[in-house]
Amino acid sequence: GENVEQHPSTLSVQEGDSAVIKCTYSDSASNYFPWYKQELGKRPQLIIDIRSNVGEKKDQRIAVTLNKTAKHFSLHITETQPEDSAVYFCAAKRSGGSNYKLTFGKGTLLTVNP
Amino acid sequence: EPEVTQTPSHQVTQMGQEVILRCVPISNHLYFYWYRQILGQKVEFLVSFYNNEISEKSEIFDDQFSVERPDGSNFTLKIRSTKLEDSAMYFCASSEATGLASYNEQFFGPGTRLTVL
Repeated sequence: GENVEQHPSTLSVQEGDSAVIKCTYSDSASNYFPWYKQELGKRPQLIIDIRSNVGEKKDQRIAVTLNKTAKHFSLHITETQPEDSAVYFCAAKRSGGSNYKLTFGKGTLLTVNP
Repeated sequence: EPEVTQTPSHQVTQMGQEVILRCVPISNHLYFYWYRQILGQKVEFLVSFYNNEISEKSEIFDDQFSVERPDGSNFTLKIRSTKLEDSAMYFCASSEATGLASYNEQFFGPGTRLTVL
């Protein structure tokens, strides 16, 4: 089955710096890659996603890149703010049938220091 | 904005007891899921449910687990005889069935923290 690896497990940056979180996946049939943000004690919430027919997607300070050949995708947050501090999870989902399960990475605890 | 809700927020039970975790998915969603997250580990898929039947389950979802949509709004996860290793945060999620369903966002509930003593 699918396996998603995520790095780093913790990341500390200064406010205003950029943060990059990387994930790799194993199943070449995966075609949808969402990123979730989970603040302490709250539910995971989707912040951005990308489909396999796209190499990059941007939404204000957040961008995701996908390299299908290498089977890796990354989250980029620019001009980080303290409210960006949270755990970020990458995930992958394969296409076909009714197989809509998400396979998650282990998460990255991002701390933005003011 | 509609949200997935879950009750209770925290459940403490004795090993061997049955527990039922409850979820109310977003009203127009037709795909439902349960995931769990053991403390410090990744979120793991348990089961997906569509059209009143299980569409996929993981190897974690053994005979001790069952799901049910008892009415038009609730979606439940039952663990028949809890084990210590069932202690985890259990998340319910739901997604739409419109368009390309495989790309539809899964909306997560706030979770139920299950503690088995």
